Amino acid sequence: NAGVTQTPKFQVLKTGQSMTLQCAQDMNHEYMSWYRQDPGMGLRLIHYSVGAGITDQGEVPNGYNVSRSTTEDFPLRLLSAAPSQTSVYFCASRRTGGNTEAFFGQGTRLTVV
Amino acid sequence: LAKTTQPISMDSYEGQEVNITCSHNNIATNDYITWYQQFPSQGPRFIIQGYKTKVTNEVASLFIPADRKSSTLSLPRVSLSDTAVYYCLVGYGQNFVFGPGTRLSVLP
Repeated sequence: NAGVTQTPKFQVLKTGQSMTLQCAQDMNHEYMSWYRQDPGMGLRLIHYSVGAGITDQGEVPNGYNVSRSTTEDFPLRLLSAAPSQTSVYFCASRRTGGNTEAFFGQGTRLTVV
Repeated sequence: LAKTTQPISMDSYEGQEVNITCSHNNIATNDYITWYQQFPSQGPRFIIQGYKTKVTNEVASLFIPADRKSSTLSLPRVSLSDTAVYYCLVGYGQNFVFGPGTRLSVLP
């Protein structure tokens, strides 16, 4: 099993550009989420989904959109990139119910210039 | 969501036992305590989870006193490869809050 796969690993954007960060999991997990991690900080929740067709906002949702058309995929869209969105982005998945273990991808390092 | 407090950083030497304590004074009845480990340039990885008393797995032990207002992650005989950031999370359900964690440096 590949687990949680994120693409790309690195990306440089110009201010105002849009892009989509991809996240796919092959564990048939219902719950998926996106976090961002700034230097020296913990992870902050951007958006999450408890199943296909259901998404909700986390702690820092502004400037990001998500959709969940399949169980496997949970893309994160930056609508108009800003330097403040320079960060490392992590996608995670877990089974729903109780306190199941979360599996994280390797991250996408995004720089907005 | 319960707020957690843990040391920002710790140093240890190879072969020593390391104990990282996390305070969570407002833990709720349903909340579990979960620890994750993060190496540089990688996503966090689950280490251990518990509700009360003691939990042990092949990687670590988790000690939780009766009042559950704190917990201690114990790493036996650390090696250089245990250098990482360790996060204590408290909650129930799907959304957990990651604080800044404890940066553990293992020295030779």
